[in-house]
Amino acid sequence: EAGVTQFPSHSVIEKGQTVTLRCDPISGHDNLYWYRRVMGKEIKFLLHFVKESKQDESGMPNNRFLAERTGGTYSTLKVQPAELEDSGVYFCASSQDPYGSPLHFGNGTRLTVT
Amino acid sequence: AQSVTQLGSHVSVSEGALVLLRCNYSSSVPPYLFWYVQYPNQGLQLLLKYTSAATLVKGINGFEAEFKKSETSFHLTKPSAHMSDAAEYFCAVMRGDGNKLVFGAGTILRVKS
Repeated sequence: EAGVTQFPSHSVIEKGQTVTLRCDPISGHDNLYWYRRVMGKEIKFLLHFVKESKQDESGMPNNRFLAERTGGTYSTLKVQPAELEDSGVYFCASSQDPYGSPLHFGNGTRLTVT
Repeated sequence: AQSVTQLGSHVSVSEGALVLLRCNYSSSVPPYLFWYVQYPNQGLQLLLKYTSAATLVKGINGFEAEFKKSETSFHLTKPSAHMSDAAEYFCAVMRGDGNKLVFGAGTILRVKS
């Protein structure tokens, strides 16, 4: 089966610009997660979708971040306007169910805000 | 709140030597525990998972981890390191009633020839 796909793999933007990251989960996985790793820090949870609904968005840093999952398939994470501290690696993951199932991660999108 | 502590941000071993990566967790309920590995320029790959069925969990690539409730530990071991094991390793905990993985800070494993 195809794994979790993320693109772009790298993005370099200027402060104040907008960037949209995309994630395609494993087919059939209702649960989709976004995580972020800022340089030198732990990987942190951002939010969790169950199908198209946001189950938990407690990790979203502020209202400059908007996540969507249209039709319960792929998801996008938009950062608008981007700030320097948004730089890091954004990981997407999916799972069949949220109760102890392993999360399958994509390769991540490395975002650099200059 | 859950937390995970990985002792040692960098660990260096010789090829053929024992690998021991330490992980301690804090959780108010019995957790699910995971080890993930990230090879250079790749995503996170599941090494193994503990779900209370057995305290010694075997994973891929010869790795295993032992859950010790009394010590709140879930250390990762491999009897003999290989050059291809060089990567960053993450311990993570998930509550049984929750959906979030809480990660440790990661340990970079270096294997010397």
